[in-house]
Amino acid sequence: GAVVSQHPSRVICKSGTSVKIECRSLDFQATTMFWYRQFPKQSLMLMATSNEGSKATYEQGVEKDKFLINHASLTLSTLTVTSAHPEDSSFYICSARDGNRGTYEQYFGPGTRLTVT
Amino acid sequence: AQSVTQPDIHITVSEGASLELRCNYSYGATPYLFWYVQSPGQGLQLLLKYFSGDTLVQGIKGFEAEFKRSQSSFNLRKPSVHWSDAAEYFCAAILSGSARQLTFGSGTQLTVLP
Repeated sequence: GAVVSQHPSRVICKSGTSVKIECRSLDFQATTMFWYRQFPKQSLMLMATSNEGSKATYEQGVEKDKFLINHASLTLSTLTVTSAHPEDSSFYICSARDGNRGTYEQYFGPGTRLTVT
Repeated sequence: AQSVTQPDIHITVSEGASLELRCNYSYGATPYLFWYVQSPGQGLQLLLKYFSGDTLVQGIKGFEAEFKRSQSSFNLRKPSVHWSDAAEYFCAAILSGSARQLTFGSGTQLTVLP
């Protein structure tokens, strides 16, 4: 149980285009989802926290107009990288918290490798 | 400032040897503590967690961790390492805040020699 999927696993896009990454909780209701960014050989950096049906809370330094997060349902959150540039190339990982378990554990997706050319 | 520290960036051990990965936290109260493992190009897999109770926690893949309040530590151990254990290991904690966000350490890269 507690499986989180991400789609796509890899994406290559041209500079200036937008890319959408989906994060789904497959067997539980994710009241809270988190989006992280990870640079090579570095730790995870929290970008934003989203609760179902409300606006995401972005961490300091994360451009909310560039990284659009939507958490429209209890099983789906999306991250859209708008007007992508090469410096946005990174590994993006989502996680989800099961609102019915009453614990603070997060379940992580497998990640999405974004390459902007 | 509240933080999670993994002092060892890279550790190399021989297959069959014991392993200990260090993790320290800086926080006034007892945090919720986690160890995750990440293989190259993959997401994070939870090895074990500590919320309260018994300070020696057993996890998957033969790993265990011990919470020591006096040392603000939560070190990960395995008595006999397998080549498949080579990966990046992250210690994480929920320190404070209503959002209960995870704070990650910088990670320890484990190399296993044959």
